[in-house]
Amino acid sequence: AQKITQTQPGMFVQEKEAVTLDCTYDTSDQSYGLFWYKQPSSGEMIFLIYQGSYDEQNATEGRYSLNFQKARKSANLVISASQLGDSAMYFCAMREWFGNEKLTFGTGTRLTIIP
Amino acid sequence: DTAVSQTPKYLVTQMGNDKSIKCEQNLGHDTMYWYKQDSKKFLKIMFSYNNKELIINETVPNRFSPKSPDKAHLNLHINSLELGDSAVYFCASSQGTAKSSPLHFGNGTRLTVT
Repeated sequence: AQKITQTQPGMFVQEKEAVTLDCTYDTSDQSYGLFWYKQPSSGEMIFLIYQGSYDEQNATEGRYSLNFQKARKSANLVISASQLGDSAMYFCAMREWFGNEKLTFGTGTRLTIIP
Repeated sequence: DTAVSQTPKYLVTQMGNDKSIKCEQNLGHDTMYWYKQDSKKFLKIMFSYNNKELIINETVPNRFSPKSPDKAHLNLHINSLELGDSAVYFCASSQGTAKSSPLHFGNGTRLTVT
């Protein structure tokens, strides 16, 4: 069964607008962590933000924030004031704390920022 | 200073050959991984080592053999390469005891089998 679902294969957003990238997950564990990564066209994987299942506040890192809704099992990434350099693939991933150490990734969303 | 480095960056080879990809991390992490990214960009874990001990071995053909000589190095050897092995292979590391520790990825090795 798919553990991480990203339903938006591609998105186009005007520069300077905010964008929300959707991520839903499936786990029966109470303890887990959610991660977002960015992969620009150059290919490297860049860690953006982390949210723990017990964190009471939504995580924020600069222009990135995570809209964490535990009951809905969703962890959407919000990018404020988008820039041309935000054009990339974005991956949501999950680590279950009482499993092994692996991160399970979603299929990704390709974000294109339009000038 | 490169945190996770893997070599080579590109690898073009013919079917049936054997090849290796090397990975080294200088972050002091105790856990290392190999992920495969296919042409549709899907990332799938292959192997993971914690302190030189194999802890994850997903359903991977036994033509793929990882080796971890120490906790800073994790190499991947592939025997009898097939067309379907063409992909980008990423090495990564994390601090295994910290569940919030993100994976730090190398820049990937693009393997093309002809």
